[in-house]
Amino acid sequence: GESVGLHLPTLSVQEGDNSIINCAYSNSASDYFIWYKQESGKGPQFIIDIRSNMDKRQGQRVTVLLNKTVKHLSLQIAATQPGDSAVYFCAETNILTGGGNKLTFGTGTQLKVEL
Amino acid sequence: DAGVTQSPTHLIKTRGQQVTLRCSPKSGHDTVSWYQQALGQGPQFIFQYYEEEERQRGNFPDRFSGHQFPNYSSELNVNALLLGDSALYLCASSAGAGLGEQYFGPGTRLTVT
Repeated sequence: GESVGLHLPTLSVQEGDNSIINCAYSNSASDYFIWYKQESGKGPQFIIDIRSNMDKRQGQRVTVLLNKTVKHLSLQIAATQPGDSAVYFCAETNILTGGGNKLTFGTGTQLKVEL
Repeated sequence: DAGVTQSPTHLIKTRGQQVTLRCSPKSGHDTVSWYQQALGQGPQFIFQYYEEEERQRGNFPDRFSGHQFPNYSSELNVNALLLGDSALYLCASSAGAGLGEQYFGPGTRLTVT
């Protein structure tokens, strides 16, 4: 039979379109958030981070938005490419209380880029 | 400059056995954290080692233990293996115990039969 754990939320986008991946985080005390990309057979790879004193941060082709009021984080990928196909995780932690390396990960979203 | 390396890549063990997984951090990093990632799930924090001591621990039983060596490399030991311990075990390294971007290794895939 199938495992519930295998059914990751999936986002399918056309190559060249923009992608938006959403994440609801759990701890209102978290003050540091990170997006990771995980390709099949590899460990998570850092994409972009944001501190709780910011609501937006931009990188190369990626933007992270933070809404502390509703505990929501999003990752926007511009001009999505086939190489962006992967599972994306948001992670949270509290640096102020010394929990910097103790990351709590979300369940992940599978991004599929269609040619 | 080598990134985080882990060994072995894959491992198959029987219920009740013990296993040791190894991790070498990225050059210049002194902190190692271990995570367990079940299939289709996000990684879960097991513990963190800094200055050869366990500094933080997640919600894992005492069957999970670790060690950090003077050269900052680390081992994860799991005793009395259960079927539910089957997962990808990830090692992440960083510079400093509380801050710093964590770099993840490729993981060790453990299968318990």
